[in-house]
Amino acid sequence: KAGVTQTPRYLIKTRGQQVTLSCSPISGHRSVSWYQQTPGQGLQFLFEYFSETQRNKGNFPGRFSGRQFSNSRSEMNVSTLELGDSALYLCASRDRDRGYGYTFGSGTRLTVV
Amino acid sequence: SQQGEEDPQALSIQEGENATMNCSYKTSINNLQWYRQNSGRGLVHLILIRSNEREKHSGRLRVTLDTSKKSSSLLITASRAADTASYFCATVPYNTDKLIFGTGTRLQVFP
Repeated sequence: KAGVTQTPRYLIKTRGQQVTLSCSPISGHRSVSWYQQTPGQGLQFLFEYFSETQRNKGNFPGRFSGRQFSNSRSEMNVSTLELGDSALYLCASRDRDRGYGYTFGSGTRLTVV
Repeated sequence: SQQGEEDPQALSIQEGENATMNCSYKTSINNLQWYRQNSGRGLVHLILIRSNEREKHSGRLRVTLDTSKKSSSLLITASRAADTASYFCATVPYNTDKLIFGTGTRLQVFP
C-alpha cells in the first residue's frame, strides 16, 4: 500500500505570492488533516477534511485554506505569503471507520524569502 | 495555547538503556498517541492509548495514561541508536478529530 504522498517536497516562494500544496492520502482513507511545523510554534493543526467537507479548523488566518476532492486528495493554499509562513507542512490521512491512528506524509518544506 | 508539554526537552542515553518521556495535556481526551520524527521528516505513528486504558505495550514501547493527572509517559526499553529521533505526544480532544501535539522530546542514543 502506498503511503501518504505530498508534493512538492521543497518550495521557495517570495513574500506576497501564493502557494498550493498537494496531498494524496492512502487509498481508502477519506480523512485528511494538515499541520504546520515551525521551530517556534511546534506542530499546529491547520484543518481536517472528510468526504470533501472541512470538519475542523485550527487557529490560522483566512489566508490559509484547503479543499478535498472526490478521490480524497487534498490541497492547501496559502495566499499573500509572509516570512512567518516558512515551515514544514505535513499532511496526514486515516481510515476514520477503523480507528484514530494517522499516517503522515514526508511533508513540504516551504521557505518564504 | 492548547499545546501539551513534554519533559524532558532532550534526553541522551547509551544503547541498551531505557528512555522515559513524559507528556502533560490540558483538555479531556478521546485518546492519546505517540509519534516519532526523524530529522524534520514526516511523523511515524507509534502507539495509541484510549482514555479508558491505563497502560499499553507494543514491542519495546510501554505507554501509560493517567487521565486524572492529564499525563502520559512513553518508555522505550533497551534503546538502540536507531531510536534517535524526536518523540511527540498528541491528544485527540473529546468530540474532535484533530491532533494537539506536545512540544516534543529529542532523544539521542549513543552506540
